Amino acid sequence: QSALTQPASVSGSPGQSITISCTGTTSDVGGYNYVSWYQQHPGKVPRLLIYDVTYRPSGVPDRFSGSKSGNTASLTISGLQAEDEADYYCSSYTSSRTQVFGGGTKLTVL
Amino acid sequence: EVQLVQSGAEVKKPGESLRISCKGAGFPFTTYWINWVRQVPGRGLEWMGRIDPTDSYTNYSPSFEGHVSISTDKSIGTAYLQWSSLKASDTAVYYCARQGYDSSIGYYYYGMDVWGQGTTVTVSS
Repeated sequence: QSALTQPASVSGSPGQSITISCTGTTSDVGGYNYVSWYQQHPGKVPRLLIYDVTYRPSGVPDRFSGSKSGNTASLTISGLQAEDEADYYCSSYTSSRTQVFGGGTKLTVL
Repeated sequence: EVQLVQSGAEVKKPGESLRISCKGAGFPFTTYWINWVRQVPGRGLEWMGRIDPTDSYTNYSPSFEGHVSISTDKSIGTAYLQWSSLKASDTAVYYCARQGYDSSIGYYYYGMDVWGQGTTVTVSS
């Protein structure tokens, strides 16, 4: 199974909104509503932001939102803050009953 | 407090065997799948596999199947990741992570909501 495709980097200014895409196939992203998103600051443990495409676990700010269209899922961060600067990873359930991550996207807050 | 506590850092030589552990606390261990995730220094996250502690059913990523083994001892609420013959390319941080659960509706989901602190494995001659 191949890793999901994410842009290597995105950037935005404080207060702006950014969107990170995550492209897979009909065997993973497109076939199931089981896409998750994670945030990882340097040297830290990943943190779950979104599960099942659109749902936020308790404690995750509503500035973080998820969506999906076809084989591409997206994470949108609105009202960018300095502390949002981190790496972001998508993940999806697959038809092989496994999971697969994207390659990761580095978010820079200008 | 709900947490996963992993064993400490390891330094090994190529060809040696290794088992690292992940102990659950603050939740009923047998009711959650446990996943293992690898992160090579400077690289992204890679899902390795998962185990259902209830019956020890496992799924592995094709990239890792045959090279690692995932097991569990549910009597002590602990999951394990094991290698029989390490390679230098196994040098990485390894995380265990719990299958997610939405307690408001009693729903288990495929995202991973609780992560261990990570175990650094260094394989070098």
